[in-house]
Amino acid sequence: DAGVTQSPTHLIKTRGQQVTLRCSPKSGHDTVSWYQQALGQGPQFIFQYYEEEERQRGNFPDRFSGHQFPNYSSELNVNALLLGDSALYLCASSLPTRDTDTQYFGPGTRLTVL
Amino acid sequence: AQTVTQSQPEMSVQEAETVTLSCTYDTSENNYYLFWYKQPPSRQMILVIRQEAYKQQNATENRFSVNFQKAAKSFSLKISDSQLGDTAMYFCAYSYRDRDDKIIFGKGTRLHILP
Repeated sequence: DAGVTQSPTHLIKTRGQQVTLRCSPKSGHDTVSWYQQALGQGPQFIFQYYEEEERQRGNFPDRFSGHQFPNYSSELNVNALLLGDSALYLCASSLPTRDTDTQYFGPGTRLTVL
Repeated sequence: AQTVTQSQPEMSVQEAETVTLSCTYDTSENNYYLFWYKQPPSRQMILVIRQEAYKQQNATENRFSVNFQKAAKSFSLKISDSQLGDTAMYFCAYSYRDRDDKIIFGKGTRLHILP
């Protein structure tokens, strides 16, 4: 049973460009959350998708957007990249049952903005 | 707003020793989850242990155990018989007990297990 997978592993972009990161949840999981982890910091919640809709959003600008597909996979899009967007982007998926609030994380995508 | 504070940025212990990582949190909620996640150099965030706030009994997972003090809003992680593979960043985290609520992380403690 494959866990949470993310692609690509690493990505280098320049300021002003746009980027799309991808996530496939663990089998049976229907909810996907995205986190940004700056170097030396803990992850910060960006947003969460459930039933193809954004259900929750953290304190991130509209340049950060996402999408969830019918197969529960998800994309994170960032427009007009800034140097400060350089970070590890983590995707997490979770089970569709109320009593197991455990999110399982993917290996992350390292984004470098030059 | 909920916050999670880890006051030890970095720690080092000898292999086979016991080490305790500290964490405090702030919330006005009564039902929530607390977690310890491990992030080795491979970057994969791995759940170490989970505590449900309504359970008074401290959670344990093999060599890992927690000391959950709800009134003091304290949630420390004890690693017994530490191993080289325990070297990693450890994050204390909080989640409100609703379905799939966001996880709020502390800044982490970098733990080095020395041979």
